[in-house]
Amino acid sequence: DTAVSQTPKYLVTQMGNDKSIKCEQNLGHDTMYWYKQDSKKFLKIMFSYNNKELIINETVPNRFSPKSPDKAHLNLHINSLELGDSAVYFCASSQVGTGKSYGYTFGSGTRLTVV
Amino acid sequence: GNSVTQMEGPVTLSEEAFLTINCTYTATGYPSLFWYVQYPGEGLQLLLKATKADDKGSNKGFEATYRKETTSFHLEKGSVQVSDSAVYFCALSQGGSEKLVFGKGTKLTVNP
Repeated sequence: DTAVSQTPKYLVTQMGNDKSIKCEQNLGHDTMYWYKQDSKKFLKIMFSYNNKELIINETVPNRFSPKSPDKAHLNLHINSLELGDSAVYFCASSQVGTGKSYGYTFGSGTRLTVV
Repeated sequence: GNSVTQMEGPVTLSEEAFLTINCTYTATGYPSLFWYVQYPGEGLQLLLKATKADDKGSNKGFEATYRKETTSFHLEKGSVQVSDSAVYFCALSQGGSEKLVFGKGTKLTVNP
């Protein structure tokens, strides 16, 4: 059983299109995240949801819109795709404890290429 | 704000060599510290962690000790293998949000 699964694994699309990436976790975690990894491998948080509530929203263009229908799912919708959106997008989940950090479980990533 | 600085790569070693990847952090209070590993074409996997000063995290022969006095969490392994070739990320989190701040990653290549 895959703990954090993302679909699709690869996504090639033209500029201006709208696309979605889906993420599901079966770990019972209460918090989910989207991270973007650029071509130099740098990882930056985009969003975080705790029990379906948005708790972290970094400086991300409003073309990016996360949606969490329940605490096991966090989807990412991107409107009007641009060349600079090409990257690997990682979903992750964690159980946020009081005063403790347990670390994340990551999905295997979605490689988005905008042409 | 919180930040993590790790040594620039790439690092190339021969099999059975000793590995050190330096990591230092800037944070207020007492963050939790992590090392993640990313094998080619895969997502990140938690390698080890430490949640308070002087804790030592260890896994698969890798070790790192949380040094508050030097704000460091250096990764070490006594004898690397070809299968250790990957990108290694140092990270910290603080507070209940669990937001992870990553270093820029260090690519390790181990040659037979």
